[in-house]
Order: sequence, then structure tokens, then C-alpha cells
Amino acid sequence: AQKITQTQPGMFVQEKEAVTLDCTYDTSDPSYGLFWYKQPSSGEMIFLIYQGSYDQQNATEGRYSLNFQKARKSANLVISASQLGDSAMYFCAMRAYNNNDMRFGAGTRLTVKP
Amino acid sequence: DTEVTQTPKHLVMGMTNKKSLKCEQHMGHRAMYWYKQKAKKPPELMFVYSYEKLSINESVPSRFSPECPNSSLLNLHLHALQPEDSALYLCASSLKVTGTGLIEAFFGQGTRLTVV
Repeated sequence: AQKITQTQPGMFVQEKEAVTLDCTYDTSDPSYGLFWYKQPSSGEMIFLIYQGSYDQQNATEGRYSLNFQKARKSANLVISASQLGDSAMYFCAMRAYNNNDMRFGAGTRLTVKP
Repeated sequence: DTEVTQTPKHLVMGMTNKKSLKCEQHMGHRAMYWYKQKAKKPPELMFVYSYEKLSINESVPSRFSPECPNSSLLNLHLHALQPEDSALYLCASSLKVTGTGLIEAFFGQGTRLTVV
């Protein structure tokens, strides 16, 4: 079984500053993928970034980067230069490579202040 | 194009009604998912279809009946629902069923279901 933990129910950040959203996970599978999704109040889940368990480098996508520390089983999302439109719920998720059972953490609500 | 289309966007139904939710993707994705999301909670996996076959059923009550008529279409048939089934129902798809890479799931905008 796999477990995803997001310990920050809510986070605030000043516009144009960087923010880190925490995610830790637990799994017995040796091969897995980690994901971050953004969910605005409108409800759609927007895929942000993916990190494979065998990837040597941390994933980056524009202003999003994933700080992957495999030994510590953490996959924190870093958002640089925050914008007002970044205010949303952010979910960390994972699935093993040998199945398509994708599970989500509890989420972190990010609020960007002007 | 990473579009997953869900219809309807909103649905209000009585406890004796039968309705269906529809999900469509034309990206050639071979895995399709149904998730249920209650307010202020993460999405909960309900069903997964791999190559049009049901591969995961998370002990969902039989009043929810999934169907995958072809590789592009996923339905969720609803019958005799309860008020506690009111939620956002999200459909997703991913290109690969298993293996490394290209396994991220893309979601539709969801159907907000209210059972009265």
C-alpha cells in the first residue's frame, strides 16, 4: 500500500516570492512516479509536474520544480515568483509503475497575497 | 492537446433517478479513471479501466456502474443514489497503463453532482 502525506493544510506567500509545498510518501514499490496537481476553485485538476523514482535530476517545468529526495521519501514542490493566479489547492500524488492506481495526498491550500 | 471532456458539468438528480456521466478523450490514452471528490478533500479513486477493461474497482457501491464502450469513451451510470453521493466526479486518462514515463493523468473539469 502507498501513502501520501501533505502536512500543510494552508500556506501563504507574498506575490513574487518562492514557496515550497511539502509532500512525503511511503511505498513498498521500488518503481513509482510522483506528481503534483493544481486545483483552482473551478474544480479542474491541472497537471503540473512529474518525477520518476529513477530520475537522477529533479524535474522542472517553468516556475515549478520538484525537490526530490528519494532516501527521505519526499517530493516537495517549489513554486518560484508566485503569482496571484497560483492561489489554489495543490495535491501531491503517486502511483507505482506496475499499476495505474494513483493516490492523492490531503492537499495544501496556497494563498498568494498581493 | 491534453483535453478530457466531461458532460454534464452540473447534474441534479433525485434518489430514484437514473443518469449517466460521460467522459471523452481523443489522445489515444489507454487508461481511464473515475474519481470522486468531496468538498475540501482529495480525489478518491473509484474505478480504473486499462485497455477498455475494468482493472480496479475500489469497492464502490453497485449504484455506481462504470462502462467503457471504446478506447475514447468512459461512462458512469448512476442509479438510486443517496444524498451523501453528492460530490465532484472527475474523469482522467493517461497514455500508458504501466511502465515508466508518460504515466501522468490528465483530468476533465468534472461533473458537480447533487442528489436530492
